[in-house]
Amino acid sequence: QLQLQESGPGLVKPSETLSLTCTVSGGSISSSHYYWALIRQPPGKGLEWIGSIYYSGSTYYNPSLKSRVAISVDTSKNQFSLKVTSVTAADTAVYYCGRHWKMPSYFDLWGRGTLVTVSS
Amino acid sequence: DIVMTQSPDALAVSLGERATINCKSSQTVSISSDGKSCLAWYQQRPGQPPKLLIYWASTRESGVPDRFGGSGSGTEFTLTISSLQAEDVALYYCQQCYTTPLTFGGGTKVEIK
Repeated sequence: QLQLQESGPGLVKPSETLSLTCTVSGGSISSSHYYWALIRQPPGKGLEWIGSIYYSGSTYYNPSLKSRVAISVDTSKNQFSLKVTSVTAADTAVYYCGRHWKMPSYFDLWGRGTLVTVSS
Repeated sequence: DIVMTQSPDALAVSLGERATINCKSSQTVSISSDGKSCLAWYQQRPGQPPKLLIYWASTRESGVPDRFGGSGSGTEFTLTISSLQAEDVALYYCQQCYTTPLTFGGGTKVEIK
């Protein structure tokens, strides 16, 4: 059964770069059927799609974050990663890894999420 | 961006009664070639990630109880829980998958009356 697991530092200082990795287990990230996504949820708030990547490296970003975000894939490690630059308190959120079967689409699999707090 | 608006923000329903959640999109999310609407519903229990319930507006995900039903097309959609159970207490979100950026509604909190 395919699973997604987020990992990364739980605390990031303002103006620094947030880095997070999603590990795919129980299946291959190189499956031609799926795209891999990052979604975030500020405490007590709703969901925001950050962006998605295909195993070939094609990326799709939310324009609201595009200037500060980069998503990459490492098929040899079965992982994809997120970097968000120049973070502020507004970037404090639970960050989820997700999967969807085409672009655009709905998310049929989610990781458990990891809380990233931006604070000095 | 397509703005997704859910109503109500919260509702309290007695066990065994019907719960109805509405979702409206700022523009159509129906694919003209086949008439299907790219609209999904998720359930998020406290402390858990969202779980896909419904996709293509009315197709239940495998394993989802049949008391959950989705309907609607174009710009107006509804999630119905036909007989509320205690385990259905959660936040519910709609999401349009018609175009990027992918966008979600603000969520509806369902509680037991």
